[in-house]
Amino acid sequence: AQKITQTQPGMFVQEKEAVTLDCTYDTSDPSYGLFWYKQPSSGEMIFLIYQGSYDQQNATEGRYSLNFQKARKSANLVISASQLGDSAMYFCAMREENDKLSFGAGTTVTVRA
Amino acid sequence: NAGVTQTPKFRVLKTGQSMTLLCAQDMNHEYMYWYRQDPGMGLRLIHYSVGEGTTAKGEVPDGYNVSRLKKQNFLLGLESAAPSQTSVYFCASNRGGPYGYTFGSGTRLTVV
Repeated sequence: AQKITQTQPGMFVQEKEAVTLDCTYDTSDPSYGLFWYKQPSSGEMIFLIYQGSYDQQNATEGRYSLNFQKARKSANLVISASQLGDSAMYFCAMREENDKLSFGAGTTVTVRA
Repeated sequence: NAGVTQTPKFRVLKTGQSMTLLCAQDMNHEYMYWYRQDPGMGLRLIHYSVGEGTTAKGEVPDGYNVSRLKKQNFLLGLESAAPSQTSVYFCASNRGGPYGYTFGSGTRLTVV
């Protein structure tokens, strides 16, 4: 069964605007963690942000923020003030036992000048 | 520090050939993982290891074998390559906890 669902295959955003990438997850474990990774066209996986299931506040890292709604099992990524360099594939992932990661299918973001 | 190094970066195999992908980390991490990435499917876990001498199956283990004889190395083997194994393979290591993941740069494998 799909544990991480990203329903947006691709998105376009105007430079300097904000964009929200959706992620929903499925787990019965009370202790879990959610990540967002960026994969540019060069292929490397770049860590962006992490949210633990017991964290009281939404995580933020610079222009990235994670909108964590535990009851709805969603962990949406918000990128503020988009830049051309933000054009990439973005993956939501969930941390499971033995620190394994379960990834969603990804969302391609294209930033327009 | 080099982090996680994958060898080779590119490879073309003929159906039925065998090969081994090497993942080496110099961070003394206990946990190591092999993922494959196919278009439209994100990364899927093939096998993983929680320490030297241990291995375990992930989500898509069929057709692959692994070994972790030394803590710093995690080998992924294809005994008889099939076109369905054409993919980009990522190795990752983790010291434990959410902030310790390090990914390699990937190996692009094509099976013809």
